[in-house]
Amino acid sequence: AQSVTQPDIHITVSEGASLELRCNYSYGATPYLFWYVQSPGQGLQLLLKYFSGDTLVQGIKGFEAEFKRSQSSFNLRKPSVHWSDAAEYFCAVAAGEYGNKLVFGAGTILRVKS
Amino acid sequence: DVKVTQSSRYLVKRTGEKVFLECVQDMDHENMFWYRQDPGLGLRLIYFSYDVKMKEKGDIPEGYSVSREKKERFSLILESASTNQTSMYLCASSLLTSYNSPLHFGNGTRLTVT
Repeated sequence: AQSVTQPDIHITVSEGASLELRCNYSYGATPYLFWYVQSPGQGLQLLLKYFSGDTLVQGIKGFEAEFKRSQSSFNLRKPSVHWSDAAEYFCAVAAGEYGNKLVFGAGTILRVKS
Repeated sequence: DVKVTQSSRYLVKRTGEKVFLECVQDMDHENMFWYRQDPGLGLRLIYFSYDVKMKEKGDIPEGYSVSREKKERFSLILESASTNQTSMYLCASSLLTSYNSPLHFGNGTRLTVT
């Protein structure tokens, strides 16, 4: 069965510093991978997705992620973090017969210090 | 923009009560989902529906049921609420039954069972 691991529960970075959030997946075939962000009191918003092709994908809000099949990873990055990026971030993999269900990781809470 | 509306932001119920959580989407989406979100566990799929009157169990369906009588509305039912069902509940919808159809989330219902 598909699964997603986010090894870091909390991460704190300084405003303006770079960011990398880790995500490892377990899936036999080519995975369809997603990153979502949840701001306090809000639902989840899609940041970016990977289906095939270029392994470096660009998303909204200046985020990007790189798919590495050899490491079963799909890490999220941002070169310069803003205070408004403080939120919880979820990595997910598509599952089910049609791939329309998502299996989520446990999430990583990002704190930004000024 | 897709709007997924969950009728209650906060709910407090007593053990043994029958509880209804309502979700409405306004974009004629085929698929609707109920997830439960708990700290350290991420989001776990309770039930989903890919058409009116159709439903499928997710990963944690025990203690829950669902109803989808109209395409735009998907209800989650706790037949006899228990304290271990205290959680944040997130509804989502997607246009197609496909991995290529992103999920749109509501803002969540925080349920407390006392």
